[in-house]
Amino acid sequence: AQKVTQAQTEISVVEKEDVTLDCVYETRDTTYYLFWYKQPPSGELVFLIRRNSFDEQNEISGRYSWNFQKSTSSFNFTITASQVVDSAVYFCALSVSGRGSGGGADGLTFGKGTHLIIQP
Amino acid sequence: EAGVTQSPTHLIKTRGQQATLRCSPISGHTSVYWYQQALGLGLQFLLWYDEGEERNRGNFPPRFSGRQFPNYSSELNVNALELEDSALYLCASSLGYSLGNEQFFGPGTRLTVL
Repeated sequence: AQKVTQAQTEISVVEKEDVTLDCVYETRDTTYYLFWYKQPPSGELVFLIRRNSFDEQNEISGRYSWNFQKSTSSFNFTITASQVVDSAVYFCALSVSGRGSGGGADGLTFGKGTHLIIQP
Repeated sequence: EAGVTQSPTHLIKTRGQQATLRCSPISGHTSVYWYQQALGLGLQFLLWYDEGEERNRGNFPPRFSGRQFPNYSSELNVNALELEDSALYLCASSLGYSLGNEQFFGPGTRLTVL
């Protein structure tokens, strides 16, 4: 079975601080994808990034960066120079192959989310 | 391009009733997923439809069911509602089935069971 753990339930920082959101995953599959989604107060999940299990390159997109380490089964997300608009719940998710298996879910397996509060 | 749409926005039912939630995917997307986001339980996968067929379901009882229509829109039905069914139900669509396809989410339907 798959599992995603986001140990940080809530993080509060002051604007302009850097913040890292942790994500640890478990799967026996060798082929999988990891995702980060953002859920602002409006409720709609917004896709941020996707990473496949064979690509351990870190990625940077503006103030956002992601660190994928298979050795520790982690896919951490860092926001540099945080802004109030970054306040949201952030979810890490895992996708594994299981099409038609009826066993595991082919849908995304989500972590419980980290509520990020950026104070002005 | 229009995103994923869901209706209604809010739905209030009483215990034992049935609820029907609707979802229209992004044009060209054939896969539709349903998720339940209940307080304290996080986002849980409910059902996946692709090309009109139910492809897989999560760990939910049979009173959660649905279907996908020829135009790829989808309906989620929850029978014999229980208080713990109160949650935000999110629909997502993706461009066919591929492990790495991102899922695009709708705004959700807030179901309240009294």
